[in-house]
Amino acid sequence: ETGVTQTPRHLVMGMTNKKSLKCEQHLGHNAMYWYKQSAKKPLELMFVYNFKEQTENNSVPSRFSPECPNSSHLFLHLHTLQPEDSALYLCASSQLLGGAAGNTIYFGEGSWLTVV
Amino acid sequence: QKEVEQDPGPLSVPEGAIVSLNCTYSNSAFQYFMWYRQYSRKGPELLMYTYSSGNKEDGRFTAQVDKSSKYISLFIRDSQPSDSATYLCAMSSGNYGQNFVFGPGTRLSVLP
Repeated sequence: ETGVTQTPRHLVMGMTNKKSLKCEQHLGHNAMYWYKQSAKKPLELMFVYNFKEQTENNSVPSRFSPECPNSSHLFLHLHTLQPEDSALYLCASSQLLGGAAGNTIYFGEGSWLTVV
Repeated sequence: QKEVEQDPGPLSVPEGAIVSLNCTYSNSAFQYFMWYRQYSRKGPELLMYTYSSGNKEDGRFTAQVDKSSKYISLFIRDSQPSDSATYLCAMSSGNYGQNFVFGPGTRLSVLP
């Protein structure tokens, strides 16, 4: 079992649907992240949570809505998405927030999202 | 100038070759450097973590950091087809709360 688990692994949704991505980390970390990875583009940081409080929203459209009920769980609620939102959505966690000394970030397997 | 640059490849090498993957960066505040391996349709997996300048070896992998040139490398010895993946470099300043910065990744293909 990996330290960071994401479900579902694959999701196809219509532009009018509402769906959610779920992430759970079993590493006892305090910070959690959502990243978007599109073809031939670097990782794009979307949201950051530290001790379940949002510390960063990287100008993400409101059709993406994160939720962090506790330090182990992170959700990304999706509604009225566009085809250009199709991408790999990666959840990650780290012991400390961001690039603190000695801190490393661990990723889940990702959720492949296709918007039709 | 992008904060972290990495040749996207694809880089194709024969099995057994020594592979050199590189990143350049512009922010002299970066002190911690990571390499991730990402197989197709999977999440990135941490391979190496280094601090400041110098070399670090782990099995067939060697990470090298040259802070004076703002240049980091990952060497893979005796490359195997199973090494075929995208390799991402990442770096951070060591300051609490400042984000990791990732390179775009280099796609490597090791041919049997």
